[in-house]
Parts: sequence; C-alpha cells; structure tokens
Amino acid sequence: EVQLVESGGGLVQPGGSLRLSCAASGFIFNNYWMTWVRQAPGKGLEWVANIKQDGSEEHYVGSLKGRLTISRDNAKSSLYLEMNSLRVEDTAVYYCARSRHCIEGLCYTSYYSDYWGQGTLVTVSS
Amino acid sequence: DIQMTQSPSTLSASVGDRVTITCRASQTISSWLAWYQQKPGKAPNLLIYKASSLQSGVPSRFSGSGSGTEFTLTISSLQPDDSATYYCQQYNSYPLTFGPGTKVDIK
Repeated sequence: EVQLVESGGGLVQPGGSLRLSCAASGFIFNNYWMTWVRQAPGKGLEWVANIKQDGSEEHYVGSLKGRLTISRDNAKSSLYLEMNSLRVEDTAVYYCARSRHCIEGLCYTSYYSDYWGQGTLVTVSS
Repeated sequence: DIQMTQSPSTLSASVGDRVTITCRASQTISSWLAWYQQKPGKAPNLLIYKASSLQSGVPSRFSGSGSGTEFTLTISSLQPDDSATYYCQQYNSYPLTFGPGTKVDIK
C-alpha cells in the first residue's frame, strides 16, 4: 500500500525557517518524481514544487522561488521541503504527493499526482 | 503562467442528477489536465488524468472530456458521497496550476 506521511509542521514566527519531511513507503521511491502542494485555510490548492527521481531537476512556483528548497534522500525514501523567511501568508497545510513515474529514462505517467499524504500544517504567526 | 478557471464556483444538485463542471485554461494545454476531488479535512484524490482517463478505483460515473483550453468533468448520476470540492490542474507547463475549485453540494 502506498503511504506518504508528512511531518515537521508547526508554529513558526515570521522570518523563521522550517523543514518539512515526507516519508514514503509501499512503492519504489526512486522511480517517481515527487511534489509539494499547499492549501491555505479555506482556500484552494497551490502547486509548490517538484523534484526528479535522482534530484537532478527541480521546479518551483515563481512566487516562492528563493525561499524554498525541495530535496530528497532516495536511500531513506524521503522527501523534504526547506522553507526560509516565512511569512504569515505561508500558513497552510502542506501536502506531499507522488508524481511522474519513470524508469531508466522511460516515463509511464505525467506530472499529475496520484497519491497524497494527509498533510502537515504550518502556521506562521507572531 | 497558465491561469485556470472553473465554473460554476458552487453548485447544488439532487441525488441522481447529471452534473457538469467546466475548466478553462488561459492557453492551450493539449490534454494535460487532471481532476481531483477533495473532501473537508482530507487530501485531494485523483479522479481523471490526461483529460479523460479514469484513475484506477474511481467510480465510472465520473468522466472527463475536452482538449486545448476547455474541459469538463461530468458526474453521470450524483451520489451522496460526491459532496466535495473539485479541482482541475494543468500539467502542460511550469508552474503547474490548479483551478479555484467547484464546491458540489447535495440538495
């Protein structure tokens, strides 16, 4: 069974930093791109970033570029999101999601997300 | 960036009704569109990918159509469990973007 479990959320002051983690199980982690999506309270979904299987390629939403770093550790089947200079408007549930399925350069699916974690809440407030 | 719009923003329908949600892209995205269902307090659930392909395990009353800039999600016979918010997402180009969502209520 595919499982994605996020952790690391919590209350942080404006200007602070946080590192989110996502532990993956039930599938071959290094065969998939991975993605972060966030959702502010009562608002819609916002795609944040994704990363290629081997970590050699990353993409970010423009408004957050420079303040976020997505990374992964395939040996630990884990995905990370480092967030710096946090603002009140970064308050959201952050979801980890599985994305594109590729094996040895052949891709079998595209960049939609077929499995999601339950999310971790980040609250930025003084 | 590609902007996604959805209509209506909310709809209320009865059990058994046929329901259609429209999603429009600000520029052509071929068929690189997904639909997700999200219930309160839960993670989104993938329903449709590549505009019209039904994700495994999703009931066949859900279907998708369209290409280019206009897409639809149809629920052929609305069920009580379908009360949720539905989002479209384009994955044609970065940044990937979601529509604002359509909330479906059961009368």
